[in-house]
Amino acid sequence: NAGVTQTPKFQVLKTGQSMTLQCAQDMNHEYMSWYRQDPGMGLRLIHYSVGAGITDQGEVPNGYNVSRSTTEDFPLRLLSAAPSQTSVYFCASRKGRSAYNEQFFGPGTRLTVL
Amino acid sequence: RKEVEQDPGPFNVPEGATVAFNCTYSNSASQSFFWYRQDCRKEPKLLMSVYSSGNEDGRFTAQLNRASQYISLLIRDSKLSDSATYLCVVIRVSGTYKYIFGTGTRLKVLA
Repeated sequence: NAGVTQTPKFQVLKTGQSMTLQCAQDMNHEYMSWYRQDPGMGLRLIHYSVGAGITDQGEVPNGYNVSRSTTEDFPLRLLSAAPSQTSVYFCASRKGRSAYNEQFFGPGTRLTVL
Repeated sequence: RKEVEQDPGPFNVPEGATVAFNCTYSNSASQSFFWYRQDCRKEPKLLMSVYSSGNEDGRFTAQLNRASQYISLLIRDSKLSDSATYLCVVIRVSGTYKYIFGTGTRLKVLA
């Protein structure tokens, strides 16, 4: 199993550009999430999905869109990049509804917006 | 006040020392708890779950105190390889399960 994979690893954008961060998992997990991690702050939830075709907003959804057309893939789209979106982005997945299920994280995408 | 709070550290300890971290949470509806480990510029990885009865995994012991609303992580016989940031994670039910991450406590084990 590759686990959770993310591409690209690094990205530099100019203000106003759009892009898609890719995330895929091969563990057949129902739940997938996108987080951002900024210095001095815990990971903050952007969007999440409880299964194919179902997505919902997290704590900091503004400026981001997601879709979940398959169980495996959960791309995150930045509509019009802003310097405030400079961050490290982690995709995560977990199985089922139990509060004790482990979340598996991808290796992250380091995004800089100039 | 943050829902989950941790001392950011760094905690600088010599090899072989015992070190303990606490994490406090403010929402009494919190249901389950974890410690994750994050190495520099890497993704978080599960270290251990924290059960009401406490649990131990080798040199690591995690405990939960619901009355005082904190969890703790004790590391015995610290190794250089234990140097990392330790994230406290609290899960509460709000429609779905919501994972609340602390900002992490940084540990440096010195030779």
